[in-house]
Amino acid sequence: AQRVTQPEKLLSVFKGAPVELKCNYSYSGSPELFWYVQYSRQRLQLLLRHISRESIKGFTADLNKGETSFHLKKPFAQEEDSAMYYCALSGQTGANNLFFGTGTRLTVIP
Amino acid sequence: NAGVTQTPKFQVLKTGQSMTLQCAQDMNHNSMYWYRQDPGMGLRLIYYSASEGTTDKGEVPNGYNVSRLNKREFSLRLESAAPSQTSVYFCASSVVIRYEQYFGPGTRLTVT
Repeated sequence: AQRVTQPEKLLSVFKGAPVELKCNYSYSGSPELFWYVQYSRQRLQLLLRHISRESIKGFTADLNKGETSFHLKKPFAQEEDSAMYYCALSGQTGANNLFFGTGTRLTVIP
Repeated sequence: NAGVTQTPKFQVLKTGQSMTLQCAQDMNHNSMYWYRQDPGMGLRLIYYSASEGTTDKGEVPNGYNVSRLNKREFSLRLESAAPSQTSVYFCASSVVIRYEQYFGPGTRLTVT
């Protein structure tokens, strides 16, 4: 069963426009949700996790348990935001409950 | 600190050959993971090691074996490579399960 769904494979926005990368999950219990980012020719790195409720590089994500969503948002996109973004879920027991979405490639058009 | 390192960076194998992918971390993390990344599939967990001395299967373990050699090192072995194992392999580590994962640079493996 698909645990993490990222419906958009590709997303293009203009510089300065708002960005929203969608993530929906399927899991009973209390999962931990993450967003990871992979910039061109760099390794995957954590962008943010829901439990910390931080804003990193202007991105925020709110866990909506009612809608089982964890969408990533930024009010004004920058060219350096162009990258591959992965939503990930960690279940309550063990790493065999670790699931990544298929990723969304964001392109910010100058 | 080098973080998570992987060797080799690239490898081409013929069907039926064997090889071991090496991974090491210098962050004193307890948990380590192996993923494969395929187009349109995202990252899928192959095996993980919650702590030194333990290993467990992930989502796609068939055709692979792992060894947690010590706290620092976690290797992935393909005993008889198949074209379906052509992929990019990532190693990762975390303080413990459910914490932020730190990834290696990846190994691009092609099986012909």
